This record gives sequence, structure tokens and C-alpha cells, in this order.
Amino acid sequence: GAGVSQSPSNKVTEKGKDVELRCDPISGHTALYWYRQSLGQGLEFLIYFQGNSAPDKSGLPSDRFSAERTGGSVSTLTIQRTQQEDSAVYLCATRAGGGTEAFFGQGTRLTVV
Amino acid sequence: TQLLEQSPQFLSIQEGENLTVYCNSSSVFSSLQWYRQEPGEGPVLLVTVVTGGEVKKLKRLTFQFGDARKDSSLHITAAQPGDTGLYLCAGAYRSNDYKLSFGAGTTVTVRA
Repeated sequence: GAGVSQSPSNKVTEKGKDVELRCDPISGHTALYWYRQSLGQGLEFLIYFQGNSAPDKSGLPSDRFSAERTGGSVSTLTIQRTQQEDSAVYLCATRAGGGTEAFFGQGTRLTVV
Repeated sequence: TQLLEQSPQFLSIQEGENLTVYCNSSSVFSSLQWYRQEPGEGPVLLVTVVTGGEVKKLKRLTFQFGDARKDSSLHITAAQPGDTGLYLCAGAYRSNDYKLSFGAGTTVTVRA
């Protein structure tokens, strides 16, 4: 596709359920980031994938959060046993190798009720 | 840990006024970027600066990179309601394999 695609665009889930958020990057982009943005706030770094290197998971807030990137392309962010404080917009961004600009998807708005 | 501090957090001005947003870090950036985010959208890149002391202009927006590459500013001249949005700075650190670290952002509101 022409840009970064995230799905679903909106997700409402019950507390305690697991959710999976998907990111389809721009073809050929080797770097992929997940960020979380609470209402009216800036971006909180979650995880960073770069090529075949081990991902930087230093931003994941708890062990309920995990992410994978299959074949260096699609990435899935999984939140287990969701809590109300997990409600936020989850943004995915990708960057070409050697480039500096990050291209963002429109995000997934997660609401935990 | 590389932290970026943005100030002010919120800024509300009248159409036609000027404004400046600041971004500071204790670390040296290999490059610094400014993004603007509108409601319901992801951030969109405005500019990338890489050289200490660099000044870039984008219409009414002027971006400056500090000589030591630790700070940057965004100045908007004669602001318009269309400039309303969340402005984010992001630093890339060569030591971190160019991982982008974002500031908390400045919410700018321009009143007509």
C-alpha cells in the first residue's frame, strides 16, 4: 500500500480480554515503531523493530504487552488481560533503512470498558 | 535514557500573533524532526534538521537547530487557525540505532 495501515481503526473491549492490533508497514521499510498516545498527550514509546535485530522492548509498560514482526513486514501488538488504563490510541510508524522520516498510520483507538 | 522536553505544553494565541515552541535534551541528536498531528490522524513530518546551527523555513514556519545539536525551536509567524494542532519534536540518536524518541508535544490553538 501507499502508506502505513493499521487495523482495526477502533476497538472496544471488555476489561480482562486480550486484543491484537495490526500494523502493515510501507513496503521495504525496515524499521517499525509502536507508540501509545493517551488523550491529549504526546507519544509514549513501546517497542522498536529494526531489520533482523532483536527488538528494543524497553518501552513496554508490563508483561501483558507483547509485539512481534513476522518476516520483517506485518507487526502485531498484543495486549493480554486488558485494563482500563490501557485505553489509548496505539500508533505504528515505519522508516526506511538509512532514512530519518517516520511515517505514521492513523492509529487504533482502544477503549477498555 | 534520552529525554526530550518540550515547552510550553499548551499555547493559545490569536490569529496573526507569533509563537515559539522549544525542544530540549541533555543528549546530542544525530538528527531532529518536527511533526504536526491533527485530531484523529497520525503525526506528519514537517522538517528534519541535522546540522548544528541549521535554520530551515517552511512558509511561515522557521525551525532552528542548536549549535550543540541538543535543542531546537519552532517559530510560527502570523499564526492562522490552520496551524492548530499538536507539535511534536523527535530526536534520533546514532548510539541507539536511530531510534526515534518523542517529546510530549505542544498543543497549539490559534483562535480566529
